[in-house]
Amino acid sequence: QKEVEQDPGPLSVPEGAIVSLNCTYSNSAFQYFMWYRQYSRKGPELLMYTYSSGNKEDGRFTAQVDKSSKYISLFIRDSQPSDSATYLCAMKPSSASKIIFGSGTRLSIRP
Amino acid sequence: SAVISQKPSRDICQRGTSLTIQCQVDSQVTMMFWYRQQPGQSLTLIATANQGSEATYESGFVIDKFPISRPNLTFSTLTVSNMSPEDSSIYLCSVVAWGQGSEKLFFGSGTQLSVL
Repeated sequence: QKEVEQDPGPLSVPEGAIVSLNCTYSNSAFQYFMWYRQYSRKGPELLMYTYSSGNKEDGRFTAQVDKSSKYISLFIRDSQPSDSATYLCAMKPSSASKIIFGSGTRLSIRP
Repeated sequence: SAVISQKPSRDICQRGTSLTIQCQVDSQVTMMFWYRQQPGQSLTLIATANQGSEATYESGFVIDKFPISRPNLTFSTLTVSNMSPEDSSIYLCSVVAWGQGSEKLFFGSGTQLSVL
């Protein structure tokens, strides 16, 4: 079993829809959770960074962590074609630890 | 944050040859990391490059195959040696830098390597 599981998609939704991207994990020691966005032929770009459980909102993006279920989500409101990219979840147990990445979900927003 | 320049952005190489990838950061950083991203798979850490010491390699990666240089605090190279088609992948340089009040991992744009 992988430490971090992420549905590879592809996920295709119409413009303006709410998008929900998810990851599950097995290591209960993970405390730092991240979402990266990766456009084609580009490196991953940090989108959201959260510590422990709860929600964090930044513009149209909301990151949610449920440590009891070992489940994290990224919500995108009012999705735009420019949001079309691969989204990778990532996590680590402490600030100095190696980051473990999910395999990424390909998202496509249809105009 | 950190701005990372990586080159080449892509290359097509013949089996048995070697390719050196360069990574330049716009600020001094203690640790630089090299990742591999194979199609449909998660990012895999190859090694951590520290200035003034040998790189630390992850399980499954060896110095003879992936020699790394780190001559100063803003620059590193990764060489993929004696390449085979299995080495076809995206190779990414990354650094830890301060961003939004805490240390974060930032990536270069990657090198798309195809081995024939």
